[in-house]
Amino acid sequence: NAGVMQNPRHLVRRRGQEARLRCSPMKGHSHVYWYRQLPEEGLKFMVYLQKENIIDESGMPKERFSAEFPKEGPSILRIQQVVRGDSAAYFCASSPEQGAGNTGELFFGEGSRLTVL
Amino acid sequence: EDQVTQSPEALRLQEGESSSLNCSYTVSGLRGLFWYRQDPGKGPEFLFTLYSAGEEKEKERLKATLTKKESFLHITAPKPEDSATYLCAGHAGGTSYGKLTFGQGTILTVHP
Repeated sequence: NAGVMQNPRHLVRRRGQEARLRCSPMKGHSHVYWYRQLPEEGLKFMVYLQKENIIDESGMPKERFSAEFPKEGPSILRIQQVVRGDSAAYFCASSPEQGAGNTGELFFGEGSRLTVL
Repeated sequence: EDQVTQSPEALRLQEGESSSLNCSYTVSGLRGLFWYRQDPGKGPEFLFTLYSAGEEKEKERLKATLTKKESFLHITAPKPEDSATYLCAGHAGGTSYGKLTFGQGTILTVHP
């Protein structure tokens, strides 16, 4: 039973390049969340998606960042024109349908660590 | 603005030395208080969800409790394998229980 799969695990980009991070949720999970963990800071919510829909993007920076979760394939977090301040660990989490009996547990991937030179 | 504050930032214990980690929260309309464990280089791993003041949950050497203002994670007779960063997070309700406000974590080190 594969967990949440993220790739790449490590990514190095130069300033101005694009970064694409991919996340495949656990089997049977239709909700995907992206979190960012900056050095010396806690996890910060970025965006919540369901298949083909962005439900809540209140944590996404207004520019250069976008996310999608297409009908087929993984969720993608895209960062255009990266800057040094984008260097962080980006975690994806998934959950099943919400409802009674759920603990609210999120299943996290192992993260993608972006380094911007 | 919702806030979650954890203390201490770091805690060093001897094996078998029990202690508690604190999580203070100001989350408007708290719908759930979560504890996660994170090992270096890994993603957070779910431990507990607490929903109402007075609630307690236990798992092996860990027990989580909740009051109206804070939560505690009690560690009884810890072992070196309990060393990790422990994260507390609050959920304010709304459209998704996956939108959590995390604290900065407590780094626990247990020495043999």
